[in-house]
Amino acid sequence: DAKTTQPTSMDCAEGRAANLPCNHSTISGNEYVYWYRQIHSQGPQYIIHGLKNNETNEMASLIITEDRKSSTLILPHATLRDTAVYYCIVRVRETSGSRLTFGEGTQLTVNP
Amino acid sequence: DAGITQSPRHKVTETGTPVTLRCHQTENHRYMYWYRQDPGHGLRLIHYSYGVKDTDKGEVSDGYSVSRSKTEDFLLTLESATSSQTSVYFCAISELSTSWLYFGAGTRLSVL
Repeated sequence: DAKTTQPTSMDCAEGRAANLPCNHSTISGNEYVYWYRQIHSQGPQYIIHGLKNNETNEMASLIITEDRKSSTLILPHATLRDTAVYYCIVRVRETSGSRLTFGEGTQLTVNP
Repeated sequence: DAGITQSPRHKVTETGTPVTLRCHQTENHRYMYWYRQDPGHGLRLIHYSYGVKDTDKGEVSDGYSVSRSKTEDFLLTLESATSSQTSVYFCAISELSTSWLYFGAGTRLSVL
């Protein structure tokens, strides 16, 4: 699975959009980009994933660059409850077992 | 939320004693996983299961064994606990077709 690089920490004002970047320059054509988050003392939570096209769900939007070497997770209107560590992961889908490898992620702090 | 229950939620034990952690799911998902989370290491896969009685090792499997005799239960055993196994343990489940993981709330284990 391709390696990802994320900033260690970011801050965002409540009500503003939070844009979390992820670099995955070695991604291959059949690898998907997944985003999870982990609120303090809880288990990680799936947010969104994508292959080539931008994706949106009730939680967030995922913007993947045309060359697929980087992506941005967007939380359109961040709230205090969005304070968490956000993990960007790339991996091949449909292989035997979802052996996702988590790095250190980005600590997002949403400030009042 | 996916029906995943981890027990116990907290445990303190002594070096050299056996410890078993239980993960129970009500989703009938085929795949189940055990991860550990430590500062500076993110989440690391210990073992996973792709069906009843079918298990395989992850990246940090030494000192751990697992068993899955029923679809809904995945047990993680530390045969002789060591202080290096003090950690937070997360169970996760997934369906192959979707490949994202649903995590339990975690078990905090302290080995003294």
